[in-house]
Amino acid sequence: GQQVMQIPQYQHVQEGEDFTTYCNSSTTLSNIQWYKQRPGGHPVFLIQLVKSGEVKKQKRLTFQFGEAKKNSSLHITATQTTDVGTYFCAGRVGGSNYKLTFGKGTLLTVNP
Amino acid sequence: EAGVAQSPRYKIIEKRQSVAFWCNPISGHATLYWYQQILGQGPKLLIQFQNNGVVDDSQLPKDRFSAERLKGVDSTLKIQPAKLEDSAVYLCASSLVTGPNYEQYFGPGTRLTVT
Repeated sequence: GQQVMQIPQYQHVQEGEDFTTYCNSSTTLSNIQWYKQRPGGHPVFLIQLVKSGEVKKQKRLTFQFGEAKKNSSLHITATQTTDVGTYFCAGRVGGSNYKLTFGKGTLLTVNP
Repeated sequence: EAGVAQSPRYKIIEKRQSVAFWCNPISGHATLYWYQQILGQGPKLLIQFQNNGVVDDSQLPKDRFSAERLKGVDSTLKIQPAKLEDSAVYLCASSLVTGPNYEQYFGPGTRLTVT
């Protein structure tokens, strides 16, 4: 079945450093979504990417979708303590009843 | 706008007992999802409803798990009998409709511990 892999599993940074998490799928995706889950919280939708090579920005966050629509990345510039949490990518394969398959996530911790 | 409501928030049971979780989605959302999130992993879809019909239940362990959404609004997920490996957070989510471009809104989850 479809697999979505994320690396790294954990990342600890000093406040102000940059952070990147990568997502790879075994199959071509129709779209990919990113969610953030704060410690003890529930996943919250961040963004969706649909087009090949798409790049979207939200303040300090930059999201990219690969040309082959099999990989994606999330980059945070100048991390802040409020960025702490687990970042999940979730991909959809076309024709699969739009089922989302989540990666295992990357846990980001930020040292103030 | 009220979010997705779930209850209970926490539940501790012994193995072989049964348990039920309740979810009330955002008003007007036709699609409802139940996910299982084991510690350190991403959410895994158990079942997806469109109104009161099942769209996907391919990953639901049907010998012990059941779910219903009788009136197309709130939903219950039941486990009977529970096993140790069922310890997880059970998340309910909803979206406006079923489709490729709709974000999902998650509830706070029910943390289940099976001893």
